[in-house]
Amino acid sequence: DVKVTQSSRYLVKRTGEKVFLECVQDMDHENMFWYRQDPGLGLRLIYFSYDVKMKEKGDIPEGYSVSREKKERFSLILESASTNQTSMYLCASSLVLTGVPGGAFFGQGTRLTVV
Amino acid sequence: DQQVKQNSPSLSVQEGRISILNCDYTNSMFDYFLWYKKYPAEGPTFLISISSIKDKNEDGRFTVFLNKSAKHLSLHIVPSQPGDSAVYFCAASAFGGYQKVTFGTGTKLQVIP
Repeated sequence: DVKVTQSSRYLVKRTGEKVFLECVQDMDHENMFWYRQDPGLGLRLIYFSYDVKMKEKGDIPEGYSVSREKKERFSLILESASTNQTSMYLCASSLVLTGVPGGAFFGQGTRLTVV
Repeated sequence: DQQVKQNSPSLSVQEGRISILNCDYTNSMFDYFLWYKKYPAEGPTFLISISSIKDKNEDGRFTVFLNKSAKHLSLHIVPSQPGDSAVYFCAASAFGGYQKVTFGTGTKLQVIP
C-alpha cells in the first residue's frame, strides 16, 4: 500500500522562526511536490523535485526553500515564518510528473499556524 | 491568473441522484486532466483522469467528460452516495516543460441521505 507520510499533522510556530516540514514516501517515486491549500484558492504548488538534489520552483515559492538529499524524503523550509504562511501544507509524490493514470499520491497534510 | 476554475464552491445532491461537478480551464496547452477527492483532515486522493485524446472516461460510478473546444470538463457521479460527500478538485497538466499540475479551487459536494 502506497504511503506518503508527513511528519506532523498540526504545528504552531512563532513569527520569525525557521520551520521544517518533512515528507517521506515509500514508493520509490522520482517526483515529489509541496502544495499549500487555502480556502478559495485550491492547491497551489510551492516547489517540486524530479530527482535527488534537483528542485524547481512552483507558482508560489517566495518565502520557502526545499531540500531533497534522499529520494524518499522531501523537506519544505520556511526560512522565517510569517502569519501569511498559516495554511494546510500537502506533500505529494508521483512516478512521473504527468500523463500516467493514477496521478499523484498525497500525504495527510500539515496544518501550520504561525502566531 | 486562475487557469483552472471551479465556479461552484458547493453543491448539494440527494442520495441516489446524479452529481455533476464542473471545471473550466484557460490554458490550451493542458492535455491531461485529473479529479481528486478530499475529505477533511486528509490529503487528496486520485479519483479519475482523462487524456485530451479522449472525450469520456468511465470508472464505476464516476465518469469524466472533456469538451476541448469549450475548454470544459465535468465529473458525473451516478448514483451519488453519502460517502461521496467531500471536496472535489479538478486538476490539469501539460506534457513537456515542467509538467506542473495546476489545481482548481475545489467544489464541496454534500450528498443528502
